[in-house]
Amino acid sequence: GQQLNQSPQSMFIQEGEDVSMNCTSSSIFNTWLWYKQDPGEGPVLLIALYKAGELTSNGRLTAQFGITRKDSFLNISASIPSDVGIYFCAGQLGGSNYKLTFGKGTLLTVNP
Amino acid sequence: SQTIHQWPATLVQPVGSPLSLECTVEGTSNPNLYWYRQAAGRGLQLLFYSVGIGQISSEVPQNLSASRPQDRQFILSSKKLLLSDSGFYLCAWQGNRDQPQHFGDGTRLSIL
Repeated sequence: GQQLNQSPQSMFIQEGEDVSMNCTSSSIFNTWLWYKQDPGEGPVLLIALYKAGELTSNGRLTAQFGITRKDSFLNISASIPSDVGIYFCAGQLGGSNYKLTFGKGTLLTVNP
Repeated sequence: SQTIHQWPATLVQPVGSPLSLECTVEGTSNPNLYWYRQAAGRGLQLLFYSVGIGQISSEVPQNLSASRPQDRQFILSSKKLLLSDSGFYLCAWQGNRDQPQHFGDGTRLSIL
């Protein structure tokens, strides 16, 4: 089946620094999604990408859908303590395939 | 706007006892519904999905079952819990197959 490689597994940064994480796949997806999960809560959708090459921003977050459709990255600029959490990428084929394929997550710690 | 509710938030059950977790969605009709389990290692494992009332697809063989008695209600059950059923259970809804999934706040299940 499809697998997503998400890296890094964890990051420890200082408040104010920029962050970058990415996901790669051995096969293509038609949609890339980025979620954030706070401790004890469900993942919350941050950004959805629907088109190869698409670059989308949501406040301090920017994500891109790779041209090959096999990768995506998420950048966070000027990190703040509330950015702490686990960030997941997910790929979706759509059409007759309902499922999401998730990366294993990036644990972000921000030191004030 | 659409909302998703899961309950209970936390549950402690003895081995061998039955289980019923409930998920309801408001503000949409005929959603696709999903049950995931998240182990301590962070990955999300798809357990069941449903595209309509009474329609359940199982992803992995296990001690659990799912039912969808109403359009916006999804139930996860077990007749006899095992220690290995411990985990964080997440319900998600999706408007149609090409849209992102949105998650509830989860149920933390501990088996003693």
